[in-house]
Amino acid sequence: AQKITQTQPGMFVQEKEAVTLDCTYDTSDPSYGLFWYKQPSSGEMIFLIYQGSYDQQNATEGRYSLNFQKARKSANLVISASQLGDSAMYFCAMRALNSGNTPLVFGKGTRLSVIA
Amino acid sequence: DSGVTQTPKHLITATGQRVTLRCSPRSGDLSVYWYQQSLDQGLQFLIQYYNGEERAKGNILERFSAQQFPDLHSELNLSSLELGDSALYFCASSVAQMNTEAFFGQGTRLTVV
Repeated sequence: AQKITQTQPGMFVQEKEAVTLDCTYDTSDPSYGLFWYKQPSSGEMIFLIYQGSYDQQNATEGRYSLNFQKARKSANLVISASQLGDSAMYFCAMRALNSGNTPLVFGKGTRLSVIA
Repeated sequence: DSGVTQTPKHLITATGQRVTLRCSPRSGDLSVYWYQQSLDQGLQFLIQYYNGEERAKGNILERFSAQQFPDLHSELNLSSLELGDSALYFCASSVAQMNTEAFFGQGTRLTVV
């Protein structure tokens, strides 16, 4: 079974600054994928970034990067140059990759507020 | 736009009633997942279908059922509704061979009164 822990219920960041959202995970699966989603107040779940457990390099998608530290079992999301539109809930999730499309397991989320 | 379509967007119904939520996955995606998001439980996996077959079951109540049709759209049926079933219900889909993506629909917000 997988478990995701997001210890920061809420975070504030100044516009144009960088922010790190923490995510730690626990799994016994040797092969797994880590995901981050953004949920704005409108409710939709927006896929941001993916990191595979065997990927050698940290994933990057525009202003989003994933700081993957396998030994520490952490997959922190870094948002650079924060914008007001980044204010939202952010969820870390994972799935096992050993048997096809397995369900995602989510953390409880971090609410990010970007201040002008 | 994720390509996953859920209808209706909002639903208000009374306790004891039955509702059906519909999901059309992205073109080519064979897997459909249903999730429930409530304030107290967070995002909970309910059930997964792959190419018409049930693949995995999560915290789904016996009052709830789902199916995936030959055209790959899926329906989640919720019956004998209780106030506690009020939540945002998401459908997600992904391609068979790719584990790197899972795109969500906009959700159906169910309010039971």
